[in-house]
Amino acid sequence: GAGVSQSPRYKVAKRGQDVALRCDPISGHVSLFWYQQALGQGPEFLTYFQNEAQLDKSGLPSDRFFAERPEGSVSTLKIQRTQQEDSAVYLCASSSIAGGYNEQFFGPGTRLTVL
Amino acid sequence: GDSVTQMEGPVTLSEEAFLTINCTYTATGYPSLFWYVQYPGEGLQLLLKATKADDKGSNKGFEATYRKETTSFHLEKGSVQVSDSAVYFCALTVTHSSGGYNKLIFGAGTRLAVHP
Repeated sequence: GAGVSQSPRYKVAKRGQDVALRCDPISGHVSLFWYQQALGQGPEFLTYFQNEAQLDKSGLPSDRFFAERPEGSVSTLKIQRTQQEDSAVYLCASSSIAGGYNEQFFGPGTRLTVL
Repeated sequence: GDSVTQMEGPVTLSEEAFLTINCTYTATGYPSLFWYVQYPGEGLQLLLKATKADDKGSNKGFEATYRKETTSFHLEKGSVQVSDSAVYFCALTVTHSSGGYNKLIFGAGTRLAVHP
């Protein structure tokens, strides 16, 4: 389909493992956002890319979290040395213009469980 | 800081009942307001939006009016269906005068269960 896709859909990690979560935005979308959704809560902003530039990473909870979008399309969110508090659904959203001033389209999310 | 508060769920209704889900916000700048819906097993979908005071967003029988004087954006539907069962999120974006980008700030979500 032409929507935002994310992989894997589910990930179980042992505490201390590194994980990588992938987001494929809608083709041609300039803006890409990552959000974290804890159980029973609304999504919270993590980071924003405009093309390959990471313009805001103020929402990343710690220096164990790292995101990249090297060619301005696919993005990867990496979490090093996972902790139990990292368990959440990680959502990716893309938008067709810079700044995300129009609709953000969301992927299905990756549910991360850290044991 | 900017924030959204919405009524706690779950909200349980019978089919054809009237629905209201309350949402209030705190924002600097010039907020746009949104309702997103998350059906079971699916991703977030934009349900409706309003970009300035007194605008009414509507879609699929749902409506919400941007009330600046009460800082509210309550979601309503006159007659709910079983297929409306989902989690509903109120959200805002703020465009600051210095420009930049829009990030969404969400409420905690309200689960709606509609029974036949």
